[in-house]
Order: sequence, then structure tokens, then C-alpha cells
Amino acid sequence: DTEVTQTPKHLVMGMTNKKSLKCEQHMGHRAMYWYKQKAKKPPELMFVYSYEKLSINESVPSRFSPECPNSSLLNLHLHALQPEDSALYLCASSLTDEQFFGPGTRLTVL
Amino acid sequence: LAKTTQPISMDSYEGQEVNITCSHNNIATNDYITWYQQFPSQGPRFIIQGYKTKVTNEVASLFIPADRKSSTLSLPRVSLSDTAVYYCLVGEREYGNKLVFGAGTILRVKS
Repeated sequence: DTEVTQTPKHLVMGMTNKKSLKCEQHMGHRAMYWYKQKAKKPPELMFVYSYEKLSINESVPSRFSPECPNSSLLNLHLHALQPEDSALYLCASSLTDEQFFGPGTRLTVL
Repeated sequence: LAKTTQPISMDSYEGQEVNITCSHNNIATNDYITWYQQFPSQGPRFIIQGYKTKVTNEVASLFIPADRKSSTLSLPRVSLSDTAVYYCLVGEREYGNKLVFGAGTILRVKS
């Protein structure tokens, strides 16, 4: 298995909802990442997990809560989001410096 | 992290060679130059990486002059499917590193 999978592909949520994004890889990578990408902009790093421990948090608002339950899974819990949080959320993993990205979850906050 | 500057967009025709130049005047000694490709509604994909001179793989070539203040990604004989955004990144080769994407270059290949 040489890919990063993300579910769901699309998500529409209201500002009072709680939802979660899921990312999975079975390549034995020990670093996993969340990026946010707004339309026509480059991806921006949100979080990095290394060996299941949070190693980088790019000052992301607390309404985004990452979780790494094991070496293959990465979740992003969403609560009380704002419409400006609508974006493509990308997950990536790496064994070295080369990062492998998933297809993303397209999130729309109403 | 060294800042990179690329053209905003480029147009080409099928079968042509495309060269995308990236400027990184403040590149540090330990920095490598990496290019990623991103298709619409997909995650970026690693294309090529180099430190100096020339690197070639099955997809592209990367030319880096001796002063390393710029680099050129060369795509031979492009096809319509090469239409994508190409990002030049500069940084140390570290596990668990932070990738800083610049604005990227939108390449449009026409028939």
C-alpha cells in the first residue's frame, strides 16, 4: 500500500457541528501532517506528528484539534468552525523529508 | 527558510519542453531544492530534488547553477496531463520537516 487515504472526500458542516477528518497510511511512515489549502493558494502547514507525538503546531486555532491514535492514523477534529475555515484539508506522511500527500477533504462551513 | 520566487503562470503546447525557473537568493548551505506538482483537487506530489549541478529522473530534470541562487525545472515534451501547479521549495532535508510552499507556477499545456 503506497498511498495516503483521506475520508470523507467532501464535508459540509454548520458552525455548531462537530466533525472529524480521517487520514490513514500503511507505508510505515512515522511523521504525519495536516495542511490547509484555500482556493488558488498554496498549502499551509497546520500540524506535524512525529512518532505519534505532536511536534509542530503552527498556532492553529483550538477549534481544530489533531489526534494521532496510532502510527497509521491521523484525525483532525473540528468544532465550532467559521465559514472562513472552508478549504481543502490535506494529510501527508513521510519516512524521510519527501512527503506523500492524500487527495484531501474538501470542507465547506455554512 | 529561504524565500522562493517563481513565475505566476506559463503556457505551453504539447510536445514542447518547458523550463520553470525559481529564484532563491537566500538559500543556505544545508538547503536542498525540491519541486512538487499539484493537480486540481489533489494533494501535491514530489517530482525531483537536488543540491547542485543537475539531477534527472524519469519525470523531469533539475538544473542548479554553481551559486545555487536559482534553479530550473525542465519538463521534456509536455502533454495535456502536465497541466498543474508546480511549487519550488527550499529547505533542509529533515525528517518531519515543515514544507513552506510559495505561490507556485500554474502551467497550462494546450493542444
